Amino acid sequence: AQTVTQSQPEMSVQEAETVTLSCTYDTSESDYYLFWYKQPPSRQMILVIRQEAYKQQNATENRFSVNFQKAAKSFSLKISDSQLGDAAMYFCAYSIQGAQKLVFGQGTRLTINP
Amino acid sequence: SQTIHQWPATLVQPVGSPLSLECTVEGTSNPNLYWYRQAAGRGLQLLFYSVGIGQISSEVPQNLSASRPQDRQFILSSKKLLLSDSGFYLCAWSALGQGVYQPQHFGDGTRLSIL
Repeated sequence: AQTVTQSQPEMSVQEAETVTLSCTYDTSESDYYLFWYKQPPSRQMILVIRQEAYKQQNATENRFSVNFQKAAKSFSLKISDSQLGDAAMYFCAYSIQGAQKLVFGQGTRLTINP
Repeated sequence: SQTIHQWPATLVQPVGSPLSLECTVEGTSNPNLYWYRQAAGRGLQLLFYSVGIGQISSEVPQNLSASRPQDRQFILSSKKLLLSDSGFYLCAWSALGQGVYQPQHFGDGTRLSIL
C-alpha cells in the first residue's frame, strides 16, 4: 500500500526567510504524481504545486519549489521569501497515474513569525 | 468557471441520528466526485469516489454511504451516526482524466460534531 509520511508536525519561520517541509512516500509504482496542498485556517484545500514522477526537473511555482528525489522517495517543499499568508497546514499527497484517489500525509503546520 | 458547493458548513448531531451532507458541482459535466474525511490534526482520508451517476467506490468500510443521484450531485449519508464520525468532511471534484492527470478541486468542507 502507498503511504505518505510527513515527519515534521510543526515548523516555523521568520517572515521573508526560506523554509523547507519534508515528505517521504512509499510506493512500488513507477508512474505517479506528487502534490503539496495548503490548508489555511479557512480549511479550504488549495493545490500549491505538483510533480510528475517521470519528470526529472523539479517543479516550481513562483516562491514554491520542490526537491524531488525519486530514488530516495523524497519530495520536499521549499518556500522562499515566506509571507504571513503562507501560514497554514501543508499536506503532501500522492496519486498513482490513472488512479482516482489521493493519499495524504499527516500534515505540517507552518507558522510565519513577523 | 467551475464551482463546488458543499453544505452545511457546520453540523452538530446526536449519536444515533441520521446524516445527509450534500455536494454539487457547477460548470462542468461528468466530473469525478470524492468524499474525504479529516480527523482532528490528521490528513485527509478518502471515503468514497464516483466516476458517474450511480457508480460509487468505497475506500473505507464504515457506517457511512454515498450516492450520486445526478451527474453533479454527491451525497454522503449515514443511518445512525457514531461518535467516531466526528470530523471535517470535504467534497472534491476532478475532470475526466483520459490518460492525463486532472487535479482535484475541493469544497469548503463541513465540520461535523457528534454529541
